[in-house]
Amino acid sequence: GAVVSQHPSWVICKSGTSVKIECRSLDFQATTMFWYRQFPKQSLMLMATSNEGSKATYEQGVEKDKFLINHASLTLSTLTVTSAHPEDSSFYICSAVWGEKINYGYTFGSGTRLTVV
Amino acid sequence: GENVEQHPSTLSVQEGDSAVIKCTYSDSASNYFPWYKQELGKRPQLIIDIRSNVGEKKDQRIAVTLNKTAKHFSLHITETQPEDSAVYFCASFNFGNEKLTFGTGTRLTIIP
Repeated sequence: GAVVSQHPSWVICKSGTSVKIECRSLDFQATTMFWYRQFPKQSLMLMATSNEGSKATYEQGVEKDKFLINHASLTLSTLTVTSAHPEDSSFYICSAVWGEKINYGYTFGSGTRLTVV
Repeated sequence: GENVEQHPSTLSVQEGDSAVIKCTYSDSASNYFPWYKQELGKRPQLIIDIRSNVGEKKDQRIAVTLNKTAKHFSLHITETQPEDSAVYFCASFNFGNEKLTFGTGTRLTIIP
């Protein structure tokens, strides 16, 4: 249980174009999902917290107009990298909390490797 | 906000020996401490976790200890095997604000 599906697993796009990444919770409802970015040989850095039915909360230094997040349902959150540039090339991972109170955990999507050329 | 420090950044261990990775956290409200193993280009895989009401947890060759007073927790891998080679991340989680903060990672290399 507690599976998060993320697509695509990898994408190559031209500079200036936009890319959408989807994250779905398959067997649980995720009121909140999280988006991380990981550069090579570095730790995962939280970009934003995606809340169902409301605006996402962005971490300091993350451009909200560049990284558009939509959490339209309890099982789907999307991240759109707009006007992508080579420096946006990275590994993007979504995650969600499952369960509540005593029994809970944190599960990750499979990640999306974005390469902007 | 929460700050998690992880040491060492790299660790080489002879096959069969034990490996220990240590983390400290700053937010006393953190109540869940997972450890992840990440292979190149893949998602972090949860290998063990511990909640704040427990001091130690063991799962076969892997164990985690938590000292809430000192705000540190450690991962112990015994009888290491080549397939244990990977990057390991500690993390602290505050269920109240659902914030998961990662350590900087440890690259563990098991020498055959």
